[in-house]
Amino acid sequence: SQQGEEDPQALSIQEGENATMNCSYKTSINNLQWYRQNSGRGLVHLILIRSNEREKHSGRLRVTLDTSKKSSSLLITASRAADTASYFCATAGAGSYQLTFGKGTKLSVIP
Amino acid sequence: EAQVTQNPRYLITVTGKKLTVTCSQNMNHEYMSWYRQDPGLGLRQIYYSMNVEVTDKGDVPEGYKVSRKEKRNFPLILESPSPNQTSLYFCASSPGSKTQYFGPGTRLLVL
Repeated sequence: SQQGEEDPQALSIQEGENATMNCSYKTSINNLQWYRQNSGRGLVHLILIRSNEREKHSGRLRVTLDTSKKSSSLLITASRAADTASYFCATAGAGSYQLTFGKGTKLSVIP
Repeated sequence: EAQVTQNPRYLITVTGKKLTVTCSQNMNHEYMSWYRQDPGLGLRQIYYSMNVEVTDKGDVPEGYKVSRKEKRNFPLILESPSPNQTSLYFCASSPGSKTQYFGPGTRLLVL
């Protein structure tokens, strides 16, 4: 069952700008993860945030989690053309290895 | 190099002709999973395996079979493929951290 829903579906920005993508989900979670997919290729894990965490950073990535609103956001700062890809959020329930993915946000960074 | 491999990467077949897509991981992960990715539908889980000889259905198991006789291998079997199984397929594996490592994908066309 599809749980995560990303917003917007597509986003186009200029190189150097920040990109923000949002994810909403329906049921309680153990953790939420963000993945990146270059066109037609395998997904690559970016960052995991646990349900008891509110914010996490990794390089130019910043993820926030609001469990009361069942939402998360992924911020990519100072975007580069190489950041062009689709970004997916995925949720894992308590005690489960299963991930439920959203439909993704397609990010285009224009040089 | 730690990785998940899939074979074949591309496959064109005809309706009803049995096929197997292999998946292998060299990271000693217990958890393995198969997904299919379709435009507008995101990633949907087909089957997963928590360990050797332990498999379970995901969200869209109809028309697929799997087996887990060894820890490193998790083949996906289509006994009688149909055109609606034309898709991009991904295998993934995971250690206990729940971060999943994805293979490069297998693009299947069923005529």
